[in-house]
Amino acid sequence: DTAVSQTPKYLVTQMGNDKSIKCEQNLGHDTMYWYKQDSKKFLKIMFSYNNKELIINETVPNRFSPKSPDKAHLNLHINSLELGDSAVYFCASSQGDRPSGNTIYFGEGSWLTVV
Amino acid sequence: GENVEQHPSTLSVQEGDSAVIKCTYSDSASNYFPWYKQELGKRPQLIIDIRSNVGEKKDQRIAVTLNKTAKHFSLHITETQPEDSAVYFCAASYNYGQNFVFGPGTRLSVLP
Repeated sequence: DTAVSQTPKYLVTQMGNDKSIKCEQNLGHDTMYWYKQDSKKFLKIMFSYNNKELIINETVPNRFSPKSPDKAHLNLHINSLELGDSAVYFCASSQGDRPSGNTIYFGEGSWLTVV
Repeated sequence: GENVEQHPSTLSVQEGDSAVIKCTYSDSASNYFPWYKQELGKRPQLIIDIRSNVGEKKDQRIAVTLNKTAKHFSLHITETQPEDSAVYFCAASYNYGQNFVFGPGTRLSVLP
């Protein structure tokens, strides 16, 4: 029943590895996001997709590649992991076009630790 | 692009007192301002939001005010309780939510 679900919740991996985080939303929303939250708790947007199309791509290393097979899924693949990639990654979704305001719903987060 | 500042970064209040967190934004086109609460180890969750055509909104012990001219908005929590302890994020977006920019967060501690 979880509205925005992401897996895995915890991920510990070595430097140089490649890993993926999956996200699915069952809210029927058109827009999905990936946010990165670092140790200082800053929430920074990484990517935003609307109906499977990339609409926001902030300054993120190209080792990070999002993929949206359909509007209910937005996965994040990370190549050649570095120590600085350690963070909590939140997937989120919103309706994206409601004039009354569009609440962002966050997933539970994926705690990535690179050792 | 939009830039959102938030103050204070940490705030400690006695239980029962009020807490106020202030945010400023830079883009006059921003028109939607939500506030999120993030408890330790949990996801951020919406607690209240306000649109640019409204100056104030209240929901029980929580209220938000917006000053479009000055480009700042504030979160007010009255009669604080220990369960209000969390990190609070303000955000600003234009087009009613196509692109959210979050403030750096305020860690609120309510002391018993």
